[in-house]
Amino acid sequence: QITLKESGPTLVKPTQTLTLTCTFSGFSLSTSGVGVGWVRQPPGKALEWLAIIHWNDANHYLSSLKSRLTVTKDTSKNQLDLTLTNMDPVDTATYYCVHRIVGGGLDYWGQGTLVTVSS
Amino acid sequence: DIQMTQSPSTLSASVGDRVTITCRASQSVSAWLAWYQQRPGKAPNVLIHKASSLEGGVPSRFSGGGSETEFTLSISSLQPDDSATYYCQQYSTYPWTFGQGTKVEIK
Repeated sequence: QITLKESGPTLVKPTQTLTLTCTFSGFSLSTSGVGVGWVRQPPGKALEWLAIIHWNDANHYLSSLKSRLTVTKDTSKNQLDLTLTNMDPVDTATYYCVHRIVGGGLDYWGQGTLVTVSS
Repeated sequence: DIQMTQSPSTLSASVGDRVTITCRASQSVSAWLAWYQQRPGKAPNVLIHKASSLEGGVPSRFSGGGSETEFTLSISSLQPDDSATYYCQQYSTYPWTFGQGTKVEIK
């Protein structure tokens, strides 16, 4: 059974750096075709894809966040980290960790974690 | 970036009605399109991938169609449990992009 769970701070101040961890089970990020990534959703707004990293280390980021966003994987720990620098109130959102197999959609989602950016 | 535009933004229909949501891409995404259902306060759940392939466990009243730039999600007989917001997403080209969502309400 595939599960993903996000963890990290729920409140960060403007200009601070956000680090979220996705801990997953039921699959390995070293298995061919597997990808894990992040999607966020501001309160009351639409989903926004942020980034994905694949089993072969191929990674892709949302263009507008590329200078602030880093995603790293630790295959041995079954974890994926998201780092977003210089946080702003517009980054307030629920952040979801997601799984996919090449060729398919985002087939498993974490429960999401709400991160609020406020002084 | 590829822009995904859904219509309508809100849809109100009765139980048993057939409803259709449209998603248009600003350029061709071939068939690399997925549909998601999101109920309030919950994570999204994938319904369809590759434009028309139904995910396991998804009721057969859901169906997807289309290719290139125009896609549809249909619910053949609307049920109370289908009250949710639906999103399309292209995964043809990075950055992947979602539509703005269609809220389906039951009359």
